Amino acid sequence: ETGVTQSPTHLIKTRGQQVTLRCSSQSGHNTVSWYQQALGQGPQFIFQYYREEENGRGNFPPRFSGLQFPNYSSELNVNALELDDSALYLCASSLSSGGVGEQFFGPGTRLTVL
Amino acid sequence: AQKITQTQPGMFVQEKEAVTLDCTYDTSDPSYGLFWYKQPSSGEMIFLIYQGSYDQQNATEGRYSLNFQKARKSANLVISASQLGDSAMYFCAMRAVGGTSYGKLTFGQGTILTVHP
Repeated sequence: ETGVTQSPTHLIKTRGQQVTLRCSSQSGHNTVSWYQQALGQGPQFIFQYYREEENGRGNFPPRFSGLQFPNYSSELNVNALELDDSALYLCASSLSSGGVGEQFFGPGTRLTVL
Repeated sequence: AQKITQTQPGMFVQEKEAVTLDCTYDTSDPSYGLFWYKQPSSGEMIFLIYQGSYDQQNATEGRYSLNFQKARKSANLVISASQLGDSAMYFCAMRAVGGTSYGKLTFGQGTILTVHP
């Protein structure tokens, strides 16, 4: 059973650019959630995808968008990068949406915006 | 809305001793789950233990146990026989069911645990 993987590990962008982060969910998991973790803070929920549709969103602007593919892998896209977007981006997968169950996290992508 | 509060920014413990990390929560959802995660300096979030709101007994996983007091809305993590490798950031999190929660995890601010030899 493979775990959650994320790519790239690290990324450096400049303000105003666009970035795409990728996540492969754990085998058999149909739900993917994305979180932003600023330095020294707890992760903040960005959005969740269940069967290729967004079905929950945190307090993030529309320039944060995502996709989930038929194999349940997912992308997080951020447009018009701002300095405050510098953070660790975590992807988590779980077996069902809305159920009280465990989420498995990937190792994260550390994004630096200059 | 859900809220998790971890009031201990940092904790210190001697190797082989037990330590309790505090967590209180607030929610109006009748059904929810409480989680503890460990985050080493490498950044990955490692699942430690889970407690469902309707579980009658406190959850245990090896050296980890969750002291769940529903009336007080607390879910403290107890680590027995601390090891040097336990030094990390620890997060309490909640996942509610129903309403607009959509199953998202709400995290606290975390507690940095340092284990001394």
